[in-house]
Amino acid sequence: KNQVEQSPQSLIILEGKNCTLQCNYTVSPFSNLRWYKQDTGRGPVSLTIMTFSENTKSNGRYTATLDADTKQSSLHITASQLSDSASYICVVGIRGGFKTIFGAGTRLFVKA
Amino acid sequence: NAGVTQTPKFRILKIGQSMTLQCTQDMNHNYMYWYRQDPGMGLKLIYYSVGAGITDKGEVPNGYNVSRSTTEDFPLRLELAAPSQTSVYFCASSLDSPGAKNIQYFGAGTRLSVL
Repeated sequence: KNQVEQSPQSLIILEGKNCTLQCNYTVSPFSNLRWYKQDTGRGPVSLTIMTFSENTKSNGRYTATLDADTKQSSLHITASQLSDSASYICVVGIRGGFKTIFGAGTRLFVKA
Repeated sequence: NAGVTQTPKFRILKIGQSMTLQCTQDMNHNYMYWYRQDPGMGLKLIYYSVGAGITDKGEVPNGYNVSRSTTEDFPLRLELAAPSQTSVYFCASSLDSPGAKNIQYFGAGTRLSVL
């Protein structure tokens, strides 16, 4: 069964600290892996997209890694800001079509 | 550039009522999608369209209908609303299939309650 599991479900960190969010997937055949940021009451916004051959992708203070062998990805946030408070969603695309599997997300709270 | 626009933002329906959720995009994207997001769950695909006049079912299409008469618009119709359709609905668009590494752009969502 195609699944995307994210951990932790929620996380509280202090402003300025770093954090890492995890994504494990059992999707086959794999096409690409995306990380989205979803602010409360808004739609998801794309942060990074990685294909099978890419093992890291950065977008400002956000760095995503992908290990296609172990089917794991992580999103590292450096020097967190209050505006980083949001849900972060991992999405895996299935090769050969348009279908994507969404994780349930990690809810991040950044406190002053 | 407005991107993907959804209306209304909020709506309360009574059981059995019908309504249409509107979605329009101004990026000339071929692909458009409707998702629902339930608390603690990942987004689920309801319907999608690969171009004007072409639509197909996603994972959870029961109780919904769509049409795509123009490239810009992709309305979602709820007939005979049920409490199980209480959810947040997101419309999205992409230039090409998301399997091709294309970015999906999402609207701000419509929060629907069926009572």
